[in-house]
Amino acid sequence: KAGVTQTPRYLIKTRGQQVTLSCSPISGHRSVSWYQQTPGQGLQFLFEYFSETQRNKGNFPGRFSGRQFSNSRSEMNVSTLELGDSALYLCASRESGVESDTQYFGPGTRLTVL
Amino acid sequence: AQSVTQLGSHVSVSEGALVLLRCNYSSSVPPYLFWYVQYPNQGLQLLLKYTSAATLVKGINGFEAEFKKSETSFHLTKPSAHMSDAAEYFCAVMIYNQGGKLIFGQGTELSVKP
Repeated sequence: KAGVTQTPRYLIKTRGQQVTLSCSPISGHRSVSWYQQTPGQGLQFLFEYFSETQRNKGNFPGRFSGRQFSNSRSEMNVSTLELGDSALYLCASRESGVESDTQYFGPGTRLTVL
Repeated sequence: AQSVTQLGSHVSVSEGALVLLRCNYSSSVPPYLFWYVQYPNQGLQLLLKYTSAATLVKGINGFEAEFKKSETSFHLTKPSAHMSDAAEYFCAVMIYNQGGKLIFGQGTELSVKP
């Protein structure tokens, strides 16, 4: 099976703009989670979608939003970009909603905000 | 609140030496525990996971970890380091009924000297 894919791999935006990141999970996986990775804060959970419903949300402002489509693909949107949003955004998928299921990560999207 | 602490942000070993990366967790309920590895400019790859079966867990690339409830630890070991093991390692915990939220430690960068 193909792994988790994320597009684009790199993005450069300016403050105030908005951005949409895309994630395609492993075939058959119904859960998609998003994480932000920065040198200062490390890896932080953004949200999880399962069968098109957001099941959990991390401690991020409302500028960060997401959605999941019927084919399990997910998008993440960040509006009114700030310099501090520069980070590696990682998407992970797992087969079901069971906590013991392994989350498989994609290669990430590197977002730079100027 | 659940948390993960990785002792040592940077560990350096010689090729062929024992690798020991420390991870302690804080959780009021039995957790699921994971070790991931991240190579430069890549996503996270699962090394191994503990899901309340055997306390000694064997993973890929010769790594293993032992769950010790009394010490709330899940240290990662490898008997003999290889140059290709140089990477950043993350310990993570998932709590039941938290909707896919992995809580990560700050990471330990492993260097392997020839």
